[in-house]
Amino acid sequence: EVQLVESGGGLVQPGGSLRLSCAASGFTFSNYWMHWVRQAPGEGLAWVSQINEGGTTTNYAASVKGRFTISRDNAKNTLYLQMNGLRAEDTAVYYCASNLLDWGQGTLVTVSS
Amino acid sequence: QAGLTQPPSVSKGLRQTATLTCTGNSNNIDNQGAAWLQQHQGHPPKLLSYRNNNRPSGVSERFSASRSGNTASLTITGLQPEDEADYYCSAWDSSLRAWVFGGGTKLTVL
Repeated sequence: EVQLVESGGGLVQPGGSLRLSCAASGFTFSNYWMHWVRQAPGEGLAWVSQINEGGTTTNYAASVKGRFTISRDNAKNTLYLQMNGLRAEDTAVYYCASNLLDWGQGTLVTVSS
Repeated sequence: QAGLTQPPSVSKGLRQTATLTCTGNSNNIDNQGAAWLQQHQGHPPKLLSYRNNNRPSGVSERFSASRSGNTASLTITGLQPEDEADYYCSAWDSSLRAWVFGGGTKLTVL
């Protein structure tokens, strides 16, 4: 059974940093593109970033480019999202997804003073 | 960044057919096709279809997707109460080098 489990969310002040993790199991993690997608409270889905199988290609939404960094450790079957310079508008549930096919339950990030 | 356009809401009766639309442009839907996701309140999204009409294993045949030019469509036949959910379209935008999502359509089954 495919499982994606996000962690690392929480309350952070504006300008602060957080590192999200997504632990994958039940499939060959190193064979899949991985994504981060977020959903602000009461809002729709918004794509954040993706990374290819080997970690050599990354893409970002314009709203996070230069502040967020996606990475992966295929030996640990884990996806990461380093978030710096956080803003109130980054408040959302952050989901990791493999090829947009399988999704985690999400982790809530709240940016507030 | 520019996204895809979906109607905010659609209402249909039980056992009827609903067609949800998603409009993009030549850089996304017309170029790459669209994916459709279903999200029930309080749950993560579920992929229903990708690259226009490829259904992942386990997705009901009542869900079918298509594309005509810049517009993608999701047709749901024989509507059931459990189909009441938010539906999102998504596509890779080759100009933005980013995935774009529609704002979502809330489907109500009457």
